[in-house]
Amino acid sequence: KQEVTQIPAALSVPEGENLVLNCSFTDSAIYNLQWFRQDPGKGLTSLLLIQSSQREQTSGRLNASLDKSSGRSTLYIAASQPGDSATYLCAVSGLAGNQFYFGTGTSLTVIP
Amino acid sequence: NAGVTQTPKFRILKIGQSMTLQCTQDMNHNYMYWYRQDPGMGLKLIYYSVGAGITDKGEVPNGYNVSRSTTEDFPLRLELAAPSQTSVYFCASSGTHGTSYEQYFGPGTRLTVT
Repeated sequence: KQEVTQIPAALSVPEGENLVLNCSFTDSAIYNLQWFRQDPGKGLTSLLLIQSSQREQTSGRLNASLDKSSGRSTLYIAASQPGDSATYLCAVSGLAGNQFYFGTGTSLTVIP
Repeated sequence: NAGVTQTPKFRILKIGQSMTLQCTQDMNHNYMYWYRQDPGMGLKLIYYSVGAGITDKGEVPNGYNVSRSTTEDFPLRLELAAPSQTSVYFCASSGTHGTSYEQYFGPGTRLTVT
């Protein structure tokens, strides 16, 4: 069974700092990996999706990388802002693409 | 496009009661999913559907039932509610191979069973 781990569970940084969130998974036979943002009491917003054949994806200040062989993904956030404060979740799908396994998330606080 | 909508937003049930959580998507997605999220935990898949008339169990299906009579709707039924079903429930949908199965989520239903 696929296990997804996110470390650290919580992270606090001053505004303007660059930061990296980590996601690891136990089974490298994945179809894709998706990063989400969740604000308190809200649903999940998709940030980036990386297909298994890709190494990275970028959107604005966000860059996600994927190393399937080592079972790792990172989400890089440049020049962090207080509005980036949220919980960040990663999820991987099996080869059929239709079942996702989620990590428990990293709670990010950006201090003004 | 409204995306994925869920009703109700909040609900309190007494032990043993039943209810249906509604989920509708307007993106013509074939795949739909139900997850539950407990405090401090990741999302766990309850049931999913790959198209109208086809459903399958996820990791935590016990105590729940689903049906998929149309592409747009995927209701989740709770029979004989138990305190262990207190959670936040999220519905999601995704396209198929050509769209890389990217998932889109509804706003969630917060359910308390007392």
